[in-house]
Amino acid sequence: GDSVTQMEGPVTLSEEAFLTINCTYTATGYPSLFWYVQYPGEGLQLLLKATKADDKGSNKGFEATYRKETTSFHLEKGSVQVSDSAVYFCALSEVATSYDKVIFGPGTSLSVIP
Amino acid sequence: EPEVTQTPSHQVTQMGQEVILRCVPISNHLYFYWYRQILGQKVEFLVSFYNNEISEKSEIFDDQFSVERPDGSNFTLKIRSTKLEDSAMYFCASTKGRAPLYGYTFGSGTRLTVV
Repeated sequence: GDSVTQMEGPVTLSEEAFLTINCTYTATGYPSLFWYVQYPGEGLQLLLKATKADDKGSNKGFEATYRKETTSFHLEKGSVQVSDSAVYFCALSEVATSYDKVIFGPGTSLSVIP
Repeated sequence: EPEVTQTPSHQVTQMGQEVILRCVPISNHLYFYWYRQILGQKVEFLVSFYNNEISEKSEIFDDQFSVERPDGSNFTLKIRSTKLEDSAMYFCASTKGRAPLYGYTFGSGTRLTVV
């Protein structure tokens, strides 16, 4: 079945460092891909999405490109801030298997230190 | 910006008791969902709801669970007889259209603790 794999955390970076969080997926068809972020004590927020191959999702300085050839959707940010400390979830949704369900990866915890 | 509102933020209940978790989705959204996140584990799909009926449910969503949209604004999750393993964060979400295209707007969650 469909699944999402993320790099294990926790990830600790200094402020202004470059961030990459790897995400790969397994799907039978052509899923939509998402990154969600969960700040401490809060719910999940949609950070960005891409619905077809080669699309780039971007928001708040974060970017991710839908790479069908490598089944990947890596999250990147050029210069992280302390306020980016959160748990990041890669996710997919595939109409071929479910109109409604989103499958989440296990999450990657990011801590940014001043 | 419109929000999905969940109440209560934290609920403690005794094993075997019934609990109702409440959600107010965004007003022009049509699709509603419940997910749960057991501490330190994945976010798991429970159920989706559209046009006043369940459209999909997971194997977790057994006969102990039910959902309802009683009055056109609230969306509730009921657990009839809680078990210790039901302890988790429960997130409500809503979307204007189908999840693959729109992504969810989540509430901030209800932490359910079963003792």
